[in-house]
Formats: sequence, structure tokens, C-alpha cells
Amino acid sequence: NAGVTQTPKFQVLKTGQSMTLQCAQDMNHNSMYWYRQDPGMGLRLIYYSASEGTTDKGEVPNGYNVSRLNKREFSLRLESAAPSQTSVYFCASSEGDGHNEKLFFGSGTQLSVL
Amino acid sequence: EDQVTQSPEALRLQEGESSSLNCSYTVSGLRGLFWYRQDPGKGPEFLFTLYSAGEEKEKERLKATLTKKESFLHITAPKPEDSATYLCAVQAATNAGKSTFGDGTTLTVKP
Repeated sequence: NAGVTQTPKFQVLKTGQSMTLQCAQDMNHNSMYWYRQDPGMGLRLIYYSASEGTTDKGEVPNGYNVSRLNKREFSLRLESAAPSQTSVYFCASSEGDGHNEKLFFGSGTQLSVL
Repeated sequence: EDQVTQSPEALRLQEGESSSLNCSYTVSGLRGLFWYRQDPGKGPEFLFTLYSAGEEKEKERLKATLTKKESFLHITAPKPEDSATYLCAVQAATNAGKSTFGDGTTLTVKP
């Protein structure tokens, strides 16, 4: 019973490098989300997808792109990493369209940009 | 703009010492208030959803309550395994599907 799986768990980048964070869920959920969490702070929404083929910006979308590859997978891409993007990234999913729904989270990706 | 403020930032309790965590919110039409527990190095785990003022939910030593302006997470006779960061989040009618999180309260329960 995997739930939400994120890869990689840890990553170190140099400023200007690009990378893609992968997320997959096996619960047949419709909605998927990317959040970032900075030390001592709550989660801030980067992007979310209410269904396959749709994406929408969250609170902090600048510097990121997303792809909802299919119902299971939702990837987050950093085209040119900056030190300000050093954070822990969490992928989450919810059953329906996201309204009033609890979120199921992955275990996170710790990203450091030097 | 939706806002969620949690207090205190950190709380240290002795085992068995009951207390409460606070979550104050400002939203345009509350659709739901959520409590999550987050252990170090892990993703948040869902605890409760509250929808309307006066509602209460319980799970083991935890009870969540909701008013029109705030929610409380009451912890009765806590144990060391209750140590974690507790996050509050809201969904507003004008921001459907997007949860706004507070910064969390880190609870430490000493044996």
C-alpha cells in the first residue's frame, strides 16, 4: 500500500541546474498537489491539478513548471534552480476535485541549491 | 487573502499534562478546517476535518473544536509519542480546492 511516492528523497543542485521531481499515487485520486515547506513554516502551494490534463497555479508558482502526465503522476520541474528554492517539497493527492478533501502526502524531497 | 495563525510556535509538556493548541483563521467563507500531524522527516498525516462552528471531533487523546474565528486542538494526558508538529489548514469558498496552512505548533512531551 504505497500511497504517494516521491523521488528522489534528497537532491543537491548548483545554481542554474535543472531537475524534475517525480510524484506518483496509487489511490486512483483525481487531484494532485505540489507544496514546499521552509524551516519553521507551514506548507505553501506551488501548483495543483484537479484532474488529468489540468493544472493551476498556487501561492508560489514562480520558477516552477508542472506536468500531469496521467492520473497517477504529477511532476514538478525547476528549469534554472536558485538558492531561494532550497526547501522540502511535498507532493499530495486527494480523492475528488479537492473541495473539502483531506490530503494524502508523500514523504518529501529535500532539495538544496548551492 | 486567507490567513492562518497558529500558537504557540512550540509547546513543551510533561507526560500527562493536558493543554491546547490554537489555530486562528481569516477566510472568505470557510469550507473546511483541517488538522494534520507531521513527524520529523515525514509528510503531514491527516487528523480531523471540521466544517462548521460548534463542531467537535475526537481521536484517542486529541479533540478538535471549531468556532467562527478559531480552532483548538486539545490534548488530554499526552504521551511522548504525541510529540510532533501539528498543522492547521483551511479551505475557503473563494479558493476551492486549495488549502492554506499555518506555520504549525511543535509539541514536545517529556516522560
